[in-house]
Amino acid sequence: GENVEQHPSTLSVQEGDSAVIKCTYSDSASNYFPWYKQELGKRPQLIIDIRSNVGEKKDQRIAVTLNKTAKHFSLHITETQPEDSAVYFCAPFSGGYQKVTFGTGTKLQVIP
Amino acid sequence: DTAVSQTPKYLVTQMGNDKSIKCEQNLGHDTMYWYKQDSKKFLKIMFSYNNKELIINETVPNRFSPKSPDKAHLNLHINSLELGDSAVYFCASSQEGLGGGYTFGSGTRLTVV
Repeated sequence: GENVEQHPSTLSVQEGDSAVIKCTYSDSASNYFPWYKQELGKRPQLIIDIRSNVGEKKDQRIAVTLNKTAKHFSLHITETQPEDSAVYFCAPFSGGYQKVTFGTGTKLQVIP
Repeated sequence: DTAVSQTPKYLVTQMGNDKSIKCEQNLGHDTMYWYKQDSKKFLKIMFSYNNKELIINETVPNRFSPKSPDKAHLNLHINSLELGDSAVYFCASSQEGLGGGYTFGSGTRLTVV
C-alpha cells in the first residue's frame, strides 16, 4: 500500500508568517494530490488540490506545489491568520479502485 | 441542503450493545466511504462502496457491517461494541470514483462505556 508521511507533525507560527507542510508518498502512480483542513471538532474539508500535470496551484493565501520526481507535495499558507489553526491532511491518490491513504496530519497553530 | 449528513452526531453506549450510524449524500456521487478517526486524529479507511457495491473492505472486525441500499445512502452497523471502538466515524463521498476530492459528513462521535 501507499506510504504517506507528513512533516512536521506540529507547527506553530506567528500570525502573518508563512507555513509550509510537506507530504511524501511512495506510489509513483499517484496523480491526484489534495489537502484537507480539519478544524477542532469539525469534519475534514478539501481546501486545495492539484493534478500531476500541474506543478503549482494557488488559491488566495494557499498554494500547493508538486515535485513528482521526488514524490512529495507541499501546502503553503501565507499571511497566516488564527482561523488557519487546524489539522491538515494530505491524501495522494493513484486512481482506479486503490484505497486512499491519508497522511498522519499536521497540527498548525497560529499565534495571534 | 447539507451535502453529506450523518446521524447521530453523538452516540454513547455500553459495551456489548449493537448500534447503527446512518449516512446520506445529496451530491449525486457514486462512491461513499466510512473512515475511522482515532484519538490521535489518524484517518483510516474502513469501507468503500461504489454504486451500492462494496469495493474496499479494510481489515476491520466483522462486528462492523456496512450496508448501502442505494448510491445515496451508506449505513454502518456495529455489533457487540467494545471500548476500543470509541472514535469519531466519518462518512464521505466522492465524484470521480476513488480519490476524487472527498466531501465528509459531520462525523459521529461514538463513546463506548
